[in-house]
Parts: sequence; C-alpha cells; structure tokens
Amino acid sequence: AQSVTQLDSHVSVSEGTPVLLRCNYSSSYSPSLFWYVQHPNKGLQLLLKYTSAATLVKGINGFEAEFKKSETSFHLTKPSAHMSDAAEYFCVVSAIPGGSSASKIIFGSGTRLSIRP
Amino acid sequence: DAGVIQSPRHEVTEMGQEVTLRCKPISGHDYLFWYRQTMMRGLELLIYFNNNVPIDDSGMPEDRFSAKMPNASFSTLKIQPSEPRDSAVYFCASSSILYVGGVGNQPQHFGDGTRLSIL
Repeated sequence: AQSVTQLDSHVSVSEGTPVLLRCNYSSSYSPSLFWYVQHPNKGLQLLLKYTSAATLVKGINGFEAEFKKSETSFHLTKPSAHMSDAAEYFCVVSAIPGGSSASKIIFGSGTRLSIRP
Repeated sequence: DAGVIQSPRHEVTEMGQEVTLRCKPISGHDYLFWYRQTMMRGLELLIYFNNNVPIDDSGMPEDRFSAKMPNASFSTLKIQPSEPRDSAVYFCASSSILYVGGVGNQPQHFGDGTRLSIL
C-alpha cells in the first residue's frame, strides 16, 4: 500500500530564512515522488520530481528535495524564502503495484507556507 | 503554449441539477486526470484516462459522477443529480509519456480548476 504524510499543515518563516517542508512516504514498490505548488485560485504546478536517478533533486524557483530511502522521506527545502513562495505545497507519491499496469497516485494533505516580511 | 483549459471557471447551481465540467488537455498528452479539492478532504484523484480509455476510476465517489473522454482533446465530468456536498474545486490535469515506466514518472500539468457551488 502507498501513503504520503506531510508532517506540517502550516509553516511560517521570515523572508530570507530557510524553508523546510516535510514529507514522509510509504510504498511497497519503487516510487516516483513529486512536489507541486499551488498558488491561490490556481492549479498545481510541478516544482520537482524524483524518479530513481539522483537522490538530490533540484527544482524551479530555488527549491530542492532529497530522497532518503532509509528514512522514507522526501523533504522540500529552499535556502532563502521569498514573499512569492507563499502558497500551498503538495507532496505526491506514485508507483505501479506489482501485477498491475496502472499507477497509484497519492497526494499529501498539503502544507501551507506563509512568509513573514 | 496553451495549457490545460477548463470550463467553466465558476459554476453555481441548485441541488438536483445536472452539472457538466469540461477539460481540454494539452495537445499530444496521452493521460488525463480529474481531481476534486475540498478543505475537508484535500485533493482527491477521481479518475484518469490513457488514450481516451478510463484506467482507474476507483476515486469516483458514487454513481452520480461520470466521466467521458470521447476524443484526445476533450473530456467531461458530469454530476447528476448534484448535491451540496459536491461543492468543491474540480481540477483537470494531463501528462504525456516521456519515459518507459508508466504514468507515475511523468509530471502532470493542471488547469486552473472549476469552482463548483451547489446550493
């Protein structure tokens, strides 16, 4: 079975300080992992993805995430927050269960990131 | 480039009425997804298609919901009859086959959603 847990529903940081959004996953199969960002009244936009290549993945807007299999984590980080980073962030796990040709795609519950001036 | 286009952007209707949401995926994309987003339940995958064929509809909440994809450039999500608890933002997304290994490896491109309110 697959699951994804975003450990914080809301994170607030000051502009210019580091951002850490935490995501833990569970998958019986080799997963692909994604982070998406959603700005108000908009659809989701891909930030970055992990698909069994390099464990440190760089995305758009200065975000990156590290896949740690031993910790079943895929935390999203950014060295310095910008006001425009304020949005909802979703961690997603996807895998193809054995014996099936259809992917199972699970979205986390989301983390709302607020940036203080 | 045109992204995923959804219509209408907003829909307000009375319970019991039929609601039809529309989606035009990105040209050349082989997969199309329908999602529902609410405060209580977050983002839920309802159904997805590959080459116009429904692959996984296990997320469709009940028989009042149906989805079709008559061709590669158009899909509908229909609710009949609608109920107040169906109020949500409905997103459509599409993706293409970039890698061998299935849909899970590919990013999805989302439309801006349809905000549905059932009174």
